[in-house]
Amino acid sequence: NAGVTQTPKFRVLKTGQSMTLLCAQDMNHEYMYWYRQDPGMGLRLIHYSVGEGTTAKGEVPDGYNVSRLKKQNFLLGLESAAPSQTSVYFCASRTSGGTDTQYFGPGTRLTVL
Amino acid sequence: DQQVKQNSPSLSVQEGRISILNCDYTNSMFDYFLWYKKYPAEGPTFLISISSIKDKNEDGRFTVFLNKSAKHLSLHIVPSQPGDSAVYFCAASDRGSRLTFGEGTQLTVNP
Repeated sequence: NAGVTQTPKFRVLKTGQSMTLLCAQDMNHEYMYWYRQDPGMGLRLIHYSVGEGTTAKGEVPDGYNVSRLKKQNFLLGLESAAPSQTSVYFCASRTSGGTDTQYFGPGTRLTVL
Repeated sequence: DQQVKQNSPSLSVQEGRISILNCDYTNSMFDYFLWYKKYPAEGPTFLISISSIKDKNEDGRFTVFLNKSAKHLSLHIVPSQPGDSAVYFCAASDRGSRLTFGEGTQLTVNP
């Protein structure tokens, strides 16, 4: 079991460029999440999905889009990157029942110049 | 509106002593609480949780206490070890699909 994996691990973009971050999980989890972590601000939810084909906005969704075409994958897109999107991005997943424990990937460090 | 707050950005303790990390929340709908631990350049990992029907949960050196009337929870680590040095996040759930995280506390355990 690889758990939750994220691609890429690091990326540098110029302002206005676009990119897609990929999250994959092999635990057959229904729920998947994208967070960003900034110093002193904890983990803030960007978008999440409660099942294949569904997405919902979190706390800080502006400037991001997501898609969940397959149960095991959750993609986070930046259409026109801005320096304010410089952050560390974490993907997480969990089952729909049982406890609320989410399992996190290793993160993607994104720098927007 | 920060619904989960960790007021101490950092905490430093000596090896072998107790570490106490604190977390306050404002939303009375929260009824399940979790602590995560995060090392640099890694994702957060689940540490311990507690349901609102309990006031204490213990797992080895880690104990979480919940005071519902004060809307306060704490994580006790006894004895503290240098390998416990990490950022600790508390999180709260209203049993929906989302967690709300605090800002994190950097714990440093000195040998």
